[in-house]
Amino acid sequence: EIVLTQSPGTLSLSPGERATLSCRASQSLSITYLAWYQQKPGRAPRLLVYGASSRATGIPDRFSSSGSGTDFTLTISRLEPEDFAVYYCQQYGSELMYTFGQGTKLEIK
Amino acid sequence: EVHLVESGGRLVRPGGSLRLSCTATGFTFNTYSMSWVRQAPGKGLEWLSYISSISTTIYYADSVKGRFTVSRDNAKNSLYLQMNSLRAEDTAVYYCTRDGRPSDYWGQGTLVTVSS
Repeated sequence: EIVLTQSPGTLSLSPGERATLSCRASQSLSITYLAWYQQKPGRAPRLLVYGASSRATGIPDRFSSSGSGTDFTLTISRLEPEDFAVYYCQQYGSELMYTFGQGTKLEIK
Repeated sequence: EVHLVESGGRLVRPGGSLRLSCTATGFTFNTYSMSWVRQAPGKGLEWLSYISSISTTIYYADSVKGRFTVSRDNAKNSLYLQMNSLRAEDTAVYYCTRDGRPSDYWGQGTLVTVSS
């Protein structure tokens, strides 16, 4: 089973700042099979970005992903008020067992 | 527009059974794989199960293997999750997702509470 560890657990930033969220895998995987989701309180998760550079429908280009091997990053270039939420990474390369990271809470400083 | 609507969640006693349903609209259901994901109160996301478009491939997380069964009825555009031998730790919101690798659409979730 591939374990995903996200850091930091909580990130406190101000609107307009750049956010960098980390997702580390217990074994090497292709970024092709790495996705990031956003979840707001009381709402279902929403797919943001997946693969090396694909954004889901309607996702603004301030969201981007990068990484390789075991280290992956979600970057939000300039935070908007609506970006404060919990973010999860997920690997879906292993069809025997998809896994999620434990989440990073992005809060307003 | 893609819509996924889960139903069937309720309070159930430990050891009991429950069947969740997910009705899909807005896309050609029989061409997509589907997955179930759950979220315990205040916790993160846990992937549970995957079923391919014509049910030929099915996978489960270890935590539910042998207790939960996923199925689908493409004629009814519906996905199901049969849950048996329920435990307190199965208490969660259960989401169905369209699994376009990754899960690109999610339902609003249905709450299952396992308690005596």
